[in-house]
Amino acid sequence: GIQVEQSPPDLILQEGANSTLRCNFSDSVNNLQWFHQNPWGQLINLFYIPSGTKQNGRLSATTVATERYSLLYISSSQTTDSGVYFCAVERMDSNYQLIWGAGTKLIIKP
Amino acid sequence: DARVTQTPRHKVTEMGQEVTMRCQPILGHNTVFWYRQTMMQGLELLAYFRNRAPLDDSGMPKDRFSAEMPDATLATLKIQPSEPRDSAVYFCASGSSGESYEQYFGPGTRLTVT
Repeated sequence: GIQVEQSPPDLILQEGANSTLRCNFSDSVNNLQWFHQNPWGQLINLFYIPSGTKQNGRLSATTVATERYSLLYISSSQTTDSGVYFCAVERMDSNYQLIWGAGTKLIIKP
Repeated sequence: DARVTQTPRHKVTEMGQEVTMRCQPILGHNTVFWYRQTMMQGLELLAYFRNRAPLDDSGMPKDRFSAEMPDATLATLKIQPSEPRDSAVYFCASGSSGESYEQYFGPGTRLTVT
């Protein structure tokens, strides 16, 4: 089956720093989403981005479908950005099932 | 403010008891998913429905778990009998197959079976 790999697994930064999180996937996909799971456990949609680039405030994401990777950029990090960032993809033939990466755990220190 | 709701938010029960978790998907969404999250296994898909019909429940232990959608505004996940290894956070998510395929998650039910 399709493999989804996220890197780095852990990241510790000072407030105000920028970061780039990566998601590699091993096969063509219909759908790619980035989620943030905050320290209280809530899973929040960040981007639906099967291809191209999107921006939302300090966050932006780029997916290069032909090269099978996606990047999530966080600029001017704040402590509220802490949590786990998941990438999830839907296979071309999957009928809407998402395959999840293991996540990147981000800690932003004040 | 459209969002997925789940009840209860927390449940502590003894082994052998029945547990029922409920989910109200976002109005207009026709696809509902049940996930389980543990530290060891991460997020696992248990079952999902489209237009209230079950599409896949292969991720669910069939002998004790059951999932239903009695109507378009309610999805339920039952465990009977519950076991300590069922302790986890159970998430419901909904989406619309006619739009962008995004999945939106509820706040989860944290289940502890003692």
